[in-house]
Amino acid sequence: GAGVSQTPSNKVTEKGKYVELRCDPISGHTALYWYRQSLGQGPEFLIYFQGTGAADDSGLPNDRFFAVRPEGSVSTLKIQRTERGDSAVYLCASSFGPSNTGELFFGEGSRLTVL
Amino acid sequence: QKEVEQDPGPLSVPEGAIVSLNCTYSNSAFQYFMWYRQYSRKGPELLMYTYSSGNKEDGRFTAQVDKSSKYISLFIRDSQPSDSATYLCAMTGASKIIFGSGTRLSIRP
Repeated sequence: GAGVSQTPSNKVTEKGKYVELRCDPISGHTALYWYRQSLGQGPEFLIYFQGTGAADDSGLPNDRFFAVRPEGSVSTLKIQRTERGDSAVYLCASSFGPSNTGELFFGEGSRLTVL
Repeated sequence: QKEVEQDPGPLSVPEGAIVSLNCTYSNSAFQYFMWYRQYSRKGPELLMYTYSSGNKEDGRFTAQVDKSSKYISLFIRDSQPSDSATYLCAMTGASKIIFGSGTRLSIRP
């Protein structure tokens, strides 16, 4: 596609439920990042994939959060037993190769609301 | 202490003014420094990036990095109402890119 695509754009769920957020990166981009952005804050790093493997998952807040990228393209962020504090915009970004220069291309985000 | 500190603003200036946005950081391993612009309900978009210390100019935008002081700046000349957005500094040394909290900027016509 022309840009990074994220679905759903909005998700409302109840506390305790399971949620999946999908990211479709720019074709040919090998690096993929997940960030979480709360209101009035900057993006908070969660996980970085280079190809199919997680190169750095140090930002995942706890074991309720998990992300996969089985074929090196589409990625899914999975949140188990959601809590109200998980409410945020989840941003996905991709880049052509390891992005030491910081040239990330972001999607518009998935807005998660946990009631 | 956060790795990257940025004044959240909001900052309001008249059209045509020069805007100065700044960030400080604590991790001396950071080598690449970026500025992103984010409009409401959109993802951030890269404005400029700079490697190590020095200046870089692109049209009305100038980025400065002073590694000795761990301080980076973005200057916007001849500011326009369309520049109204949140500006995020970001930096990296290896794999993950760390963002500041963002400064909300409003340019008054």
